[in-house]
Amino acid sequence: GAVVSQHPSWVICKSGTSVKIECRSLDFQATTMFWYRQFPKQSLMLMATSNEGSKATYEQGVEKDKFLINHASLTLSTLTVTSAHPEDSSFYICSASPLQNIQYFGAGTRLSVL
Amino acid sequence: DQQVKQNSPSLSVQEGRISILNCDYTNSMFDYFLWYKKYPAEGPTFLISISSIKDKNEDGRFTVFLNKSAKHLSLHIVPSQPGDSAVYFCAASGKAAGNKLTFGGGTRVLVKP
Repeated sequence: GAVVSQHPSWVICKSGTSVKIECRSLDFQATTMFWYRQFPKQSLMLMATSNEGSKATYEQGVEKDKFLINHASLTLSTLTVTSAHPEDSSFYICSASPLQNIQYFGAGTRLSVL
Repeated sequence: DQQVKQNSPSLSVQEGRISILNCDYTNSMFDYFLWYKKYPAEGPTFLISISSIKDKNEDGRFTVFLNKSAKHLSLHIVPSQPGDSAVYFCAASGKAAGNKLTFGGGTRVLVKP
């Protein structure tokens, strides 16, 4: 149980294009999902908290117009990196929370912007 | 300000021996702590957690100890196995944080056969 599916696992795109990443909780409902970013050899940095049916809450320093988050259902949240640039290249990870305090993570998406 | 710290970036241990990973926190509002295991290019996998009302939680080979007065927790893995080689993150949360996790910097564990 508690499986979180994240797709795609790896994406390469040209600078200026937009990329959408999907995060699905497969066997539970998640009112809250989270999006993280991890730079090489660093810890996970929370980007935003995604709440079903409402606007996402972004952490300080994260551009909400750059990283669009939609949480349309209790099992799906999407992150769209708009007008991606090479500095957006990173490892993006989502998590879903079925219970308070517990988060289950997706496998991550490696984004490479050329 | 790093609220959760893992001061040992790496740890090497012989197969069969005990691995002890440490984590310190500064925010006294944290009341729930978790350990995750992560392989490269994969998402973290939940290992074990502990509430602040407890000082120990055990699950198979994994035991987490919490010392609230010292704001310190540790993860013991015994016996260590080569498959345990990964990066381990401790994380903390609290009601005041709205269920958000704050992660430590991670400790890379290498278990040598």
